[in-house]
Amino acid sequence: SQTIHQWPATLVQPVGSPLSLECTVEGTSNPNLYWYRQAAGRGLQLLFYSVGIGQISSEVPQNLSASRPQDRQFILSSKKLLLSDSGFYLCACPGPRETQYFGPGTRLLVL
Amino acid sequence: RKEVEQDPGPFNVPEGATVAFNCTYSNSASQSFFWYRQDCRKEPKLLMSVYSSGNEDGRFTAQLNRASQYISLLIRDSKLSDSATYLCVGTSGTYKYIFGTGTRLKVLA
Repeated sequence: SQTIHQWPATLVQPVGSPLSLECTVEGTSNPNLYWYRQAAGRGLQLLFYSVGIGQISSEVPQNLSASRPQDRQFILSSKKLLLSDSGFYLCACPGPRETQYFGPGTRLLVL
Repeated sequence: RKEVEQDPGPFNVPEGATVAFNCTYSNSASQSFFWYRQDCRKEPKLLMSVYSSGNEDGRFTAQLNRASQYISLLIRDSKLSDSATYLCVGTSGTYKYIFGTGTRLKVLA
């Protein structure tokens, strides 16, 4: 079965600083990959998904970007963080029977 | 209107109680539905898929009503360990999953 690694686990960054969050997947090849954000008291919001290397679909226009340089690597970035970028960032890939399998997440606090 | 809506709760119930959560969805083209469980500060984990015929997994029963566009989750004989947030999820298109904001459950001793 697949395993998703995300790092860092927690991050505190000042407003205006850059961001790079990494997600790697083991145990599957050429998976669809997803980035979600869960803001405090809110539901999971799909940010980006990728069906293959170099292919990124953006769901919500915002201050973030994503890249997929390798089959099992998905990166979330920002050039300048905003306060509103704070949240719990989750990487996901498909599980059995159309389910979603999540990584452990990165908790980001922008001050 | 949100694509997937849930009562945020919290639902505070005593141990042993039966509790039911409902979820409504607006996209009639959604094909698949799920319930996820999310513990505090953790990632969501699949609880169960939801089938039109209804399905049961131990103390948990899920139902889907396509005509009324709602999904339900019934938990019988609640345990302290059932305390969590329960997320209703529907698919939207081939690659997308739409999550509700979740219903918080607290089971009290």
